[in-house]
Amino acid sequence: QKEVEQNSGPLSVPEGAIASLNCTYSDRGSQSFFWYRQYSGKSPELIMFIYSNGDKEDGRFTAQLNKASQYVSLLIRDSQPSDSATYLCAMRPNDYKLSFGAGTTVTVRA
Amino acid sequence: GAVVSQHPSWVICKSGTSVKIECRSLDFQATTMFWYRQFPKQSLMLMATSNEGSKATYEQGVEKDKFLINHASLTLSTLTVTSAHPEDSSFYICSAITGFDQPQHFGDGTRLSIL
Repeated sequence: QKEVEQNSGPLSVPEGAIASLNCTYSDRGSQSFFWYRQYSGKSPELIMFIYSNGDKEDGRFTAQLNKASQYVSLLIRDSQPSDSATYLCAMRPNDYKLSFGAGTTVTVRA
Repeated sequence: GAVVSQHPSWVICKSGTSVKIECRSLDFQATTMFWYRQFPKQSLMLMATSNEGSKATYEQGVEKDKFLINHASLTLSTLTVTSAHPEDSSFYICSAITGFDQPQHFGDGTRLSIL
């Protein structure tokens, strides 16, 4: 079983809609969770990080963490064409290293 | 803040050449940096963890004699791909952290093409 599983996608949403991305993880000891956005041909860019159960909002992005159920999600509200990218879920099970999911490709249709 | 600079952004060279990639933290001191490789349509693969002043820790399956890592200062880590061959062609990305519980911040990556 992979440490981090993401819904495989691709995910296509109309402009203005909510894009919902999900990620589950296997290591209950994980404390830190991250969402990165990666445009084609570019390196990952940090969007959100969350350490505590519940919701964390930053602009149009909301990260949700449920440690009991071992999942973390990302909601993108009012999706824009510029949000079209691959979104990587990552967690830190121990030490400094990150475990990445395979990524979900999102396409926002104008 | 937390800007990571990577150089060069793009390299094309002949098989057998050694290539050095630099990763710098511009506005913070990074005790730990990471080197990743990413093939097309795949996720990031961690190659090694680089700590200032000590030997890098390589992930299983990564040849340490092939991928030489030096972390000589708190703001600079280098990755040297020795005697590169076409199968080493990939997107190499470094990252750095400001503290143990802080996110990793990535450089812009280096696209390496070996002919």
